[in-house]
Amino acid sequence: GAVVSQHPSRVICKSGTSVKIECRSLDFQATTMFWYRQFPKQSLMLMATSNEGSKATYEQGVEKDKFLINHASLTLSTLTVTSAHPEDSSFYICSARTGGSYEQYFGPGTRLTVT
Amino acid sequence: RKEVEQDPGPFNVPEGATVAFNCTYSNSASQSFFWYRQDCRKEPKLLMSVYSSGNEDGRFTAQLNRASQYISLLIRDSKLSDSATYLCVVNINTPLVFGKGTRLSVIA
Repeated sequence: GAVVSQHPSRVICKSGTSVKIECRSLDFQATTMFWYRQFPKQSLMLMATSNEGSKATYEQGVEKDKFLINHASLTLSTLTVTSAHPEDSSFYICSARTGGSYEQYFGPGTRLTVT
Repeated sequence: RKEVEQDPGPFNVPEGATVAFNCTYSNSASQSFFWYRQDCRKEPKLLMSVYSSGNEDGRFTAQLNRASQYISLLIRDSKLSDSATYLCVVNINTPLVFGKGTRLSVIA
């Protein structure tokens, strides 16, 4: 199956700093990438959908100025958590899909801890 | 009403048992249906798609009832390695919508 990588897998940062998470599709071109967040014992919640070369579409309640998403190429999307706070500590997972397919391939996730 | 509802469990079953999970979805416009498996602190992985005619993959059988907006997953001859959280997932337009998952623990 298709492979999606994420980097870093874990990050600990201080409150007020910014953190960038990368999501790459390694063996296919991802026309659409999705960013999810999962708090402990909760379901995956979609944060935003990004299509290559265009602005991301954010879900209700997700601040676009706080969670900056860039999808500059067909194999790379980045999520930057700006001015991170402890409540942003969560498991962030990206997924990618090719055009015309419903199937999404998930990255291994990034565990963010903000102290 | 939540878009995808599942019994959170946990289901604790002995090895070799048969266990069934159910899921209901609220949006009749849902187009595609899946079961994903998520291990602790890992990303979800596709277990199987669910078709109206029902489908089987080894010990796993999935069923979809569009009229009742109900999806099921049956696991036969449970193995210890089946212990995980099983996520019911529906596709409404583009993004996938995930249920909270049902936890399964298979005990030796």
